[in-house]
Order: sequence, then C-alpha cells, then structure tokens
Amino acid sequence: GAGVSQSPSNKVTEKGKDVELRCDPISGHTALYWYRQSLGQGLEFLIYFQGNSAPDKSGLPSDRFSAERTGGSVSTLTIQRTQQEDSAVYLCASSLVGGRGEAFFGQGTRLTVV
Amino acid sequence: GNSVTQMEGPVTLSEEAFLTINCTYTATGYPSLFWYVQYPGEGLQLLLKATKADDKGSNKGFEATYRKETTSFHLEKGSVQVSDSAVYFCALRGGYSTLTFGKGTMLLVSP
Repeated sequence: GAGVSQSPSNKVTEKGKDVELRCDPISGHTALYWYRQSLGQGLEFLIYFQGNSAPDKSGLPSDRFSAERTGGSVSTLTIQRTQQEDSAVYLCASSLVGGRGEAFFGQGTRLTVV
Repeated sequence: GNSVTQMEGPVTLSEEAFLTINCTYTATGYPSLFWYVQYPGEGLQLLLKATKADDKGSNKGFEATYRKETTSFHLEKGSVQVSDSAVYFCALRGGYSTLTFGKGTMLLVSP
C-alpha cells in the first residue's frame, strides 16, 4: 500500500478483555516496529521485527503483550487481560532493513480500556 | 545501549522568532539521525534526516547538522510560524537496531 495502515483506528474495550491491533506495513519494508504513546508522553518502544531474524522484544512491558508478523508482512499486536494503564495510542512503523532508511508511521490505534 | 536526550518543553516562541531544540545522543558506531514531527491530532512524520557526520538535513525551513564530535543533532529554524506548533522528536537508528526516540519537545508559537 501507499503507507502504513493500522486498524482499528479506535478501540474501546473492557478491562480484562483481550485486544488485537493490526498493522499493514509499506510493501517491501522488511523492518516493522511497534511503539506506544501515552497521553502527553513520548514514544515507548515495544517490539521490532527485522526481516527473518528473531524479533527484539525487549520493550514489551509484560507477558500480557505479544506480537507476531506473518509472512514478513502484516503484524498483529495482542494485549491479553487488558488493564486501564494499557490505554494509549499504539503506533506501528515500517522501514527498509538497514540503518539508513527512515521509518514511516501509521496513524495509530487509540486504545481505551474502561 | 543507544539513547537520545532532547530539551524538555514546552518551548514557547512568538512568530518569526529563532528556534533551537537541542538533541544529543549516545550510540555505538555511526547511527543515522532523524527529526520527526507530530502536529496536533496527527501521526508522526519525518521532518529531516542525516546519515553521516557533517551531513545537514533540511526541510520546510528546518535544519539540523550531524555533529559527531559533540554527538548532537540540534534542530533550528530561522523564523517560526504558528503552523510549526507541534511536538518534535529526535531519533537515531544504528545498523540493524530499532529506532530510539527522545521524549519529545512541544513547540508553541503564538502570533
């Protein structure tokens, strides 16, 4: 596609429910990133997929968070047993592998846990 | 590990004032450096980048020079406009590592 696409754009869920957030990267981009941005805060790194290498999961805040990337393209971020502190905007970005290219961001999914 | 430190905001300026937002970094090797901007209610978009020492990135009147000797990548603009009001993020990416962001600096420009 022309840009990084994320869905849904907004998600309201009840505390304790599981949610899945989807990211469609730019075609041909083999690096994919997930970040979280809480209200008025900076970007918190969550997970990084780089080609066929093992993902860098060092930013996942707890074992309730997981992500997968199928076929080197679409990625799904899953949050189990959601808590109110999970409320944030979840941002996905993609780039060409290798350090020189910039990352392109999607519009984000605004998650609200009530 | 890699890290980025940028000045805390908000930075409040009058229109046509000169802008500097400081950014320094810690990284191994030779990272690429970026400034991203987030306008109110919008997603992050790349403002400018530099991929090697002494490179100058520029866009929309903004400039930043990759200074390896001072490990800095300060953002400057000679004359800001109200429409420049946004949050600015400095970031780096080294080799095959993930993007590392600073905490962001909010810029507020008044007429």
